Amino acid sequence: GDSVTQMEGPVTLSEEAFLTINCTYTATGYPSLFWYVQYPGEGLQLLLKATKADDKGSNKGFEATYRKETTSFHLEKGSVQVSDSAVYFCALPWGGSQGNLIFGKGTKLSVKP
Amino acid sequence: ETGVTQTPRHLVMGMTNKKSLKCEQHLGHNAMYWYKQSAKKPLELMFVYNFKEQTENNSVPSRFSPECPNSSHLFLHLHTLQPEDSALYLCASSQAQGVNTEAFFGQGTRLTVV
Repeated sequence: GDSVTQMEGPVTLSEEAFLTINCTYTATGYPSLFWYVQYPGEGLQLLLKATKADDKGSNKGFEATYRKETTSFHLEKGSVQVSDSAVYFCALPWGGSQGNLIFGKGTKLSVKP
Repeated sequence: ETGVTQTPRHLVMGMTNKKSLKCEQHLGHNAMYWYKQSAKKPLELMFVYNFKEQTENNSVPSRFSPECPNSSHLFLHLHTLQPEDSALYLCASSQAQGVNTEAFFGQGTRLTVV
């Protein structure tokens, strides 16, 4: 069945460091792909998305490119800030609805000043 | 503020209690979802409602009973829960159909079963 594999954390970086969080997926067809972020004590917020192969989603300095060849959707940011400290989830929909989501296990990011 | 509001934010209940979680969305969506977020486990989809009809029950025990009286409101009724049911319960909504839609989540209810 469809699945998402995400690098395990936690990840600790210094401010202004480069961030990569790996995500690979297994799916039938070519679903949309999402990154969600969960700040401490909050629910999930959509960070970015890509709806087809080679699309690049971007938001708040974060980027991820839908790579069909490698079935990957890695999250990157060139210079992280303390305010980026959160848990990041890679996800894909199934069953034809964008709300039926399969999530990765989440990667906790801590950014130190 | 995502347009999806959950109450209460925190709930402590005994194993013999009956309580309900509430979710309300102001986004005009027609699909609503309950997710469970436990420590050390991936987010799990529990229930899906499309146009007020339940379309998915992901093998959830009967001690969890969802209710969707209209497209804006979703409840999760809880009774005779177990300590392992302690988790963050997240509600989400989306358009039921379409290509460029995505789920919007509430802030969750932190449930502790004692």
